[in-house]
Formats: sequence, C-alpha cells, structure tokens
Amino acid sequence: NAGVMQNPRHLVRRRGQEARLRCSPMKGHSHVYWYRQLPEEGLKFMVYLQKENIIDESGMPKERFSAEFPKEGPSILRIQQVVRGDSAAYFCASSPIQGSSYNEQFFGPGTRLTVL
Amino acid sequence: QKEVEQDPGPLSVPEGAIVSLNCTYSNSAFQYFMWYRQYSRKGPELLMYTYSSGNKEDGRFTAQVDKSSKYISLFIRDSQPSDSATYLCAIPAGGTSYGKLTFGQGTILTVHP
Repeated sequence: NAGVMQNPRHLVRRRGQEARLRCSPMKGHSHVYWYRQLPEEGLKFMVYLQKENIIDESGMPKERFSAEFPKEGPSILRIQQVVRGDSAAYFCASSPIQGSSYNEQFFGPGTRLTVL
Repeated sequence: QKEVEQDPGPLSVPEGAIVSLNCTYSNSAFQYFMWYRQYSRKGPELLMYTYSSGNKEDGRFTAQVDKSSKYISLFIRDSQPSDSATYLCAIPAGGTSYGKLTFGQGTILTVHP
C-alpha cells in the first residue's frame, strides 16, 4: 500500500508566478490536510478537505491560496502570485473515514517551494 | 498564549542516555495527544498517541500525559544515534480525535555515539 504521495518534491518559482502542489492520499483515505512548515518554525495547519468539500480552511491565508480535492484525482494546493515569504515545505496528510477511535494522519514527504 | 508550546532545544545527548521531551498546552478540552518524529527533509511520522491522562509505553518510548498541569512528555530510553530527529508534539483541535493538528515547535534531538 503506497503512502501519501506529493509532487513535485521540489518546486522553484519566481515572484509573481503560480505554484501548484499535488497530493495523492493513501488508498482508502478520504480526508486530506495541508500543513506548511516555515524555516525555524513548526508545522502550521492550513486546510482540511474531504472529496469535493472544504471542511476547515481556518489556517489558509485569505488571499492567493486555494485548495481543492476533486472527486477524481489528487488534492491541489494552489498559490497564486507567489512571494518570497511563501518559500516553505508544504506537507499533505491523509486519514481514513472518521470513526470512534483516533484517525492517524499519515504525512507525505512534502514539497519544498523556493521563491526566487 | 500559544495552544501548544515546546522547547525547540536543540538537545544533544550521548548514546544510551534517557531523553525527556516536553510540551505544555492551554486548552483543557484537549483529549488526544500525539508525538511525531521527523527526520531531516522528510515528512513527520506518528510515534505514539495517548488519550486523556496516564502513561503509554511502546518499546523504548513512553508517552505521559498530566492533564491537571496540561503537560505532556515523551521519554526515550537507551537512546540511539538513529533517534536523532526532530520530535513534535501534536494535539487535534477541540478535544476530538480527528481534524486539524496543532503542533509544537519541535525539539531537535541529536544522539551522538
């Protein structure tokens, strides 16, 4: 069973360009989370999605950032008009359908975004 | 006040030492408590989780929760160089078992031979 997959692993963009980060959850997982890890900081929650629904986007910056998890295909985190401050490691995590017990979040290897 | 606070270290210990990693949290509604390990340039992986107060042991690792003082700990016995990593405490929001995780800043641990 393949783990959470993220691509690309490394992404370089110039200021003002768009960045698209992809996440394929583990098989059977219908919940996806995106986190950002800035240099010298811990992981910060950005958004929580289920198929075709945004459940919690309280950690998303109000502008330039958007996320989706379509019925078919990977989850996408999109950053428009990137700025240097967007340079970070972006991690995706997935978990199975909610139940009564704790649903572990399994993390992907991350996408390291560098904005020049 | 941050919801979860963790001393970032760094912490350097000799092989075989007992390591103590700690976090404090602010919301008494929190019920689940996790420890993740993150190797350099990798994604975090879950080490252990506990529910409510008490201890949980898994091999060389022991997780401890003291809800009265809002304090969580991870102990590593007989530490090995392969334990060198960043250790992150994490708590799901609102006392649930799912949903967004709030992470501590992470403690960088180095175990030297």
